[in-house]
Amino acid sequence: DQQVKQNSPSLSVQEGRISILNCDYTNSMFDYFLWYKKYPAEGPTFLISISSIKDKNEDGRFTVFLNKSAKHLSLHIVPSQPGDSAVYFCAASEATDSWGKLQFGAGTQVVVTP
Amino acid sequence: DVKVTQSSRYLVKRTGEKVFLECVQDMDHENMFWYRQDPGLGLRLIYFSYDVKMKEKGDIPEGYSVSREKKERFSLILESASTNQTSMYLCASRPGVHYGYTFGSGTRLTVV
Repeated sequence: DQQVKQNSPSLSVQEGRISILNCDYTNSMFDYFLWYKKYPAEGPTFLISISSIKDKNEDGRFTVFLNKSAKHLSLHIVPSQPGDSAVYFCAASEATDSWGKLQFGAGTQVVVTP
Repeated sequence: DVKVTQSSRYLVKRTGEKVFLECVQDMDHENMFWYRQDPGLGLRLIYFSYDVKMKEKGDIPEGYSVSREKKERFSLILESASTNQTSMYLCASRPGVHYGYTFGSGTRLTVV
């Protein structure tokens, strides 16, 4: 059973507008969350992360919000650019896992249109 | 920049063959991982290694084994390939716990 869920398999957004990607999780022991971006024929690349002690982390055009009570996080991309067209994976690791293995969601395909 | 290199981009193998997928990283990372990526399922952990000669099962280890004889190299072995092992295989490494992963470009394996 997947503990990290991305319920929107795809998202289309106009260039210059905001992209909002959502991720829900079921494991209350998750304490570290990451977003990865993947282009076709390439491996995923790290985008941004957030620890459970924070509710927001910002890096340039990318902001991740964490709502622990709702077990929900979101990634905001503002403004969206054509180069942002990719698959985005949400991932999480558990505080009690000494190896900090990442659990990934199914991914959201983002298409930024001109 | 850390580089994680997977030896093959595309592979086609026959059912029952023994298949080796190789992964090499060049930054002395302690931990290495093998994931498979399937549509609608995301990335699922097959095996990982936290040090040389050490290995741990992930979420879906059945039908796979691994080898880590040297720190920089982590091999995934399909003992007897089956069609349900057709997938994109991704190798990753990281310096230690609570660091992000660096992924290779992936190997698309087709078993016919």
